[in-house]
Amino acid sequence: DAGVIQSPRHEVTEMGQEVTLRCKPISGHDYLFWYRQTMMRGLELLIYFNNNVPIDDSGMPEDRFSAKMPNASFSTLKIQPSEPRDSAVYFCASRRQGITYNEQFFGPGTRLTVL
Amino acid sequence: AQSVAQPEDQVNVAEGNPLTVKCTYSVSGNPYLFWYVQYPNRGLQFLLKYITGDNLVKGSYGFEAEFNKSQTSFHLKKPSALVSDSALYFCAVRDGSGGSYIPTFGRGTSLIVHP
Repeated sequence: DAGVIQSPRHEVTEMGQEVTLRCKPISGHDYLFWYRQTMMRGLELLIYFNNNVPIDDSGMPEDRFSAKMPNASFSTLKIQPSEPRDSAVYFCASRRQGITYNEQFFGPGTRLTVL
Repeated sequence: AQSVAQPEDQVNVAEGNPLTVKCTYSVSGNPYLFWYVQYPNRGLQFLLKYITGDNLVKGSYGFEAEFNKSQTSFHLKKPSALVSDSALYFCAVRDGSGGSYIPTFGRGTSLIVHP
């Protein structure tokens, strides 16, 4: 398996522009998570899906952020309009539902810089 | 509610010496505990987990962790550190007795192994 795939790996954009981050989870995994990592705030959970349905988006910082999961193999995180304070590394992770709790598998991340 | 604390932002150790990265947790029910490692410019990778059973858990790359219920701790250890162990280490906890099915991550501890 190729693992969790994220694209792009790096994104540089200007303030006010729309940014779309993409994620392909591991096949057969039921949960998908979006995290944001910054030096100041550490690793923050933004939103997670179970079987393509958003379960908890309480970590989404503002209405400028939105996430979708149209099918089991694809998810997007969109920021519109982007701001410099959105600069961070965004991780997607997935895990398989099981009898005991399974670990999460993280993608390589997208490093976003908003100028 | 569940929470995890990693009291040290950074741990320095000489190569060949034993290392310990500390983690304490708080959950209402039974703890499910995890350690992840993040190498530079990479996503988090699973190291080991405690769900039930033996208090000493062995994981990848020669790491192990000891679950101590009375001290609510789950410290990560390795008998002999390698320079290549230098990375960011995250502890995570989830309440195995119900509640949120999502783990809470600590802020991370930077491990630096000196040659």
